[in-house]
Amino acid sequence: DTAVSQTPKYLVTQMGNDKSIKCEQNLGHDTMYWYKQDSKKFLKIMFSYNNKELIINETVPNRFSPKSPDKAHLNLHINSLELGDSAVYFCASSPRTGSAFFGQGTRLTVV
Amino acid sequence: GESVGLHLPTLSVQEGDNSIINCAYSNSASDYFIWYKQESGKGPQFIIDIRSNMDKRQGQRVTVLLNKTVKHLSLQIAATQPGDSAVYFCADRGGSNYKLTFGKGTLLTVNP
Repeated sequence: DTAVSQTPKYLVTQMGNDKSIKCEQNLGHDTMYWYKQDSKKFLKIMFSYNNKELIINETVPNRFSPKSPDKAHLNLHINSLELGDSAVYFCASSPRTGSAFFGQGTRLTVV
Repeated sequence: GESVGLHLPTLSVQEGDNSIINCAYSNSASDYFIWYKQESGKGPQFIIDIRSNMDKRQGQRVTVLLNKTVKHLSLQIAATQPGDSAVYFCADRGGSNYKLTFGKGTLLTVNP
């Protein structure tokens, strides 16, 4: 029943590895997002897709690659993980005009 | 506690008091504003929204005020309860690119 679900909830990995986070929404929304929340709780947008088309790409290293196979899914792949990538990553979805609904977050720890 | 090192603005109130959380935004083109509540270990949760053609909107125990002249938004919580303890974020959206920009967040602590 979860509206926006992302997996995994926790991810601990070594520097240099490649990892993916998956996100699915069952709200029928056209727009999906990835946000990064740092240790100071600041929420920064990374990417946004509308109907599978990338519409926002906010100065994110190209080690981060989003992929939207359909409008209900937006996955985030990260190559060559660095210590500074440690954060909580949130997926969200919204209708064209309206509030965004967030997933529970994926806490990524790079060691 | 969780607030150590966070450097978030903080607001501490007694249970039953009213709380007011403030937010400034910078985008003059923003036309839609949202308040979110984030509890520890969870994602931000929608509380209330307001569009730029309004200056006040009320929900259950919450009121949002919008002052477009000074680009200021506030959230008022009536009869604050311990369950209201969380980090509160304002967010705004403007323009055609769907971008939702978040403010810094305020940590609200309700003392029983």
